Amino acid sequence: QPALTQPPSVSGSPGQSVTISCAGTSRDVGGFNRVSWYQQSPGTAPKLIIYEVSNRPAGVSDRFSASKSGNTASLTISGLQVEDEADYYCSSYTSGSSIIVVFGGGTKLTVL
Amino acid sequence: QAQLVQSGSEVKKPGTSVKVSCQASGYTFTSYGISWVRQAPGQSLEWLGWISAYNGNRNYAQKFQGRVTMTTDTSTSTAYMELTSLKSDDTAIYYCARPLWGYAYIDWAYWGQGTLVTVSS
Repeated sequence: QPALTQPPSVSGSPGQSVTISCAGTSRDVGGFNRVSWYQQSPGTAPKLIIYEVSNRPAGVSDRFSASKSGNTASLTISGLQVEDEADYYCSSYTSGSSIIVVFGGGTKLTVL
Repeated sequence: QAQLVQSGSEVKKPGTSVKVSCQASGYTFTSYGISWVRQAPGQSLEWLGWISAYNGNRNYAQKFQGRVTMTTDTSTSTAYMELTSLKSDDTAIYYCARPLWGYAYIDWAYWGQGTLVTVSS
């Protein structure tokens, strides 16, 4: 059972914006500024699109933006394009007996 | 450009072990950590643990402690992940991943192509 909660699916039309939420607790999302987001197309490895809550790696489109409020992180994709159709996963540090990493269950984005 | 190349698919019987390799190139191997992440068919991602390629320090997810061993060979810039006492629900694609910077446990900017491990009698 994934530790972080994401909606199973979202959809949007080309040009629209969609937001994917990632709900955690004060022990993970709320407790660290170490939330990252990954995009995964079928049959490929995940691709880092956001790190440290809201930063984009070089080469990632500025149509991808992210933020965090309390225990919930959010990824927004603006100006949807057909090639954005993929699975999106959030991840975060979490505290316990040792710092570990947890993931969300993933969100399937469909571009209609 | 950093690149991680993993070993090929494996089919294993329950109770046995598997060792997956991850050969790095295009960067200074000992300047980064490596995490291992798996993905069961149709499922989300799961973090198995992390190893420093500098000094071999490790941090394993509690769920896998006692069953997983991560090592590195700096002479060949290769990381290894061995999982023992395999069960059918260990069937998954196993990825090695390198962070953007240094020895972070997260923010994986570089991924291997994945190794499918199938556990079946």
